[in-house]
Amino acid sequence: DSGVTQTPKHLITATGQRVTLRCSPRSGDLSVYWYQQSLDQGLQFLIQYYNGEERAKGNILERFSAQQFPDLHSELNLSSLELGDSALYFCASSLGVSPSEKLFFGSGTQLSVL
Amino acid sequence: GDSVTQMEGPVTLSEEAFLTINCTYTATGYPSLFWYVQYPGEGLQLLLKATKADDKGSNKGFEATYRKETTSFHLEKGSVQVSDSAVYFCALSLSGGSNYKLTFGKGTLLTVNP
Repeated sequence: DSGVTQTPKHLITATGQRVTLRCSPRSGDLSVYWYQQSLDQGLQFLIQYYNGEERAKGNILERFSAQQFPDLHSELNLSSLELGDSALYFCASSLGVSPSEKLFFGSGTQLSVL
Repeated sequence: GDSVTQMEGPVTLSEEAFLTINCTYTATGYPSLFWYVQYPGEGLQLLLKATKADDKGSNKGFEATYRKETTSFHLEKGSVQVSDSAVYFCALSLSGGSNYKLTFGKGTLLTVNP
């Protein structure tokens, strides 16, 4: 058990809808990262938050947004969903700001857009 | 941009066979290099890392040496077990500036048969 909790584990929705994925980092970790895993693209970095502030941005679409709350949990919001958004979304956490530290990954949220 | 290239899978071996999974990278600076492992139904876990040239990372019988001259970080294990069946990801990170992210290869599926 990594200590990172992601909910829900599975999400099935329709095109055009909006969903929210939730992540609780390991106790004491200040950084939260979001990754998208798909068969064709592999693992793509989306965004990182550190202690409530956006720290780095990757290949995140404008339809997607994220935030980290004062209690350090994070939410990833996906809107105007398309079939191609179907993927496994991972959250990871680490103590500090650098991705060179060990990242602890959650088990992921499997999103299916029908 | 920075990137990681892994050998295509899947790789299928018999128990006690020797394992090599090739990984090469392209980076604009001096990256830290990682191998992460993903067991079925789970998130990624850090397997080993190396932060500078000629460093050797090792864990659970796996080893990888940071080779700057060949920009490689190949994963090896002398005798694989069925429990090593998983997807293995090579990754790099560059700290500093706005490039704060972990870049993953596409992953290599390893299946070990008894």
